[in-house]
Amino acid sequence: DAMVIQNPRYQVTQFGKPVTLSCSQTLNHNVMYWYQQKSSQAPKLLFHYYDKDFNNEADTPDNFQSRRPNTSFCFLDIRSPGLGDAAMYLCATSIGTGRDTQYFGPGTRLTVL
Amino acid sequence: QQPVQSPQAVILREGEDAVINCSSSKALYSVHWYRQKHGEAPVFLMILLKGGEQKGHEKISASFNEKKQQSSLYLTASQLSYSGTYFCGTEFGDNYGQNFVFGPGTRLSVLP
Repeated sequence: DAMVIQNPRYQVTQFGKPVTLSCSQTLNHNVMYWYQQKSSQAPKLLFHYYDKDFNNEADTPDNFQSRRPNTSFCFLDIRSPGLGDAAMYLCATSIGTGRDTQYFGPGTRLTVL
Repeated sequence: QQPVQSPQAVILREGEDAVINCSSSKALYSVHWYRQKHGEAPVFLMILLKGGEQKGHEKISASFNEKKQQSSLYLTASQLSYSGTYFCGTEFGDNYGQNFVFGPGTRLSVLP
C-alpha cells in the first residue's frame, strides 16, 4: 500500500545531541511537510518542500533543518535539541500545494533527556 | 493568525449531533478539516475552497460561509468512532505552507 513512513517511531536523545528523523513516501507526491506537535496542541508547520524547493516558516527556529535528497525521502535534523523540543514530529505529503489533501505519517515521538 | 475553534471540548452520547466551528478575523483561501485520535496521525476529512460551499460524506459535513471567514463541521448521529480531536487547518495566502495554520482543536468524546 502507498503510504508515508516515519522512522523511528520513538527517539530518545540527550540535551544538545544532534538527532535526525526520517520520512519516506511511496505516493510520489511533490510536497513533503514537517510538523511539530506538542501535547494537547495543534500541529505546527515547521517547513515544507515542493520538489527541491525549500520553504521555511518564519518562526521555525534555526535549530531545525531539513533535507530532501530525492522525491521519496525527507529528513528533519535537530542540531542541538533542547528540552522544549520534545514533541511528536509529523511528516505529511500532498500532490501539490494549497488545496490538496495532506497524508500524514504515524509520527516520531522525540524525548530529550 | 491561528483560527479560533469552538467549542474547546464536547461530550456526546452516541446518536447525538455536534457542530464544531472554526473562525478567522481574515478571509481564508481554504479550510481543511482533520480528525486525530489519541496517539495517531491526523486524518483528512475534507477541504472547502469556495465561499458558500458545503460538502458532506455520510454523516459528516462542513460548510464555508460566504465571507470565507468561518467554517463549521457537522457531525450527525455520532458514532463511538467519531471520538477524537478535530482540527481545522486554514490557509491565509496563495503561498501555501507559509500561511497554513491549524486551529487549536476541539476534543470530541462520544459515549455509549
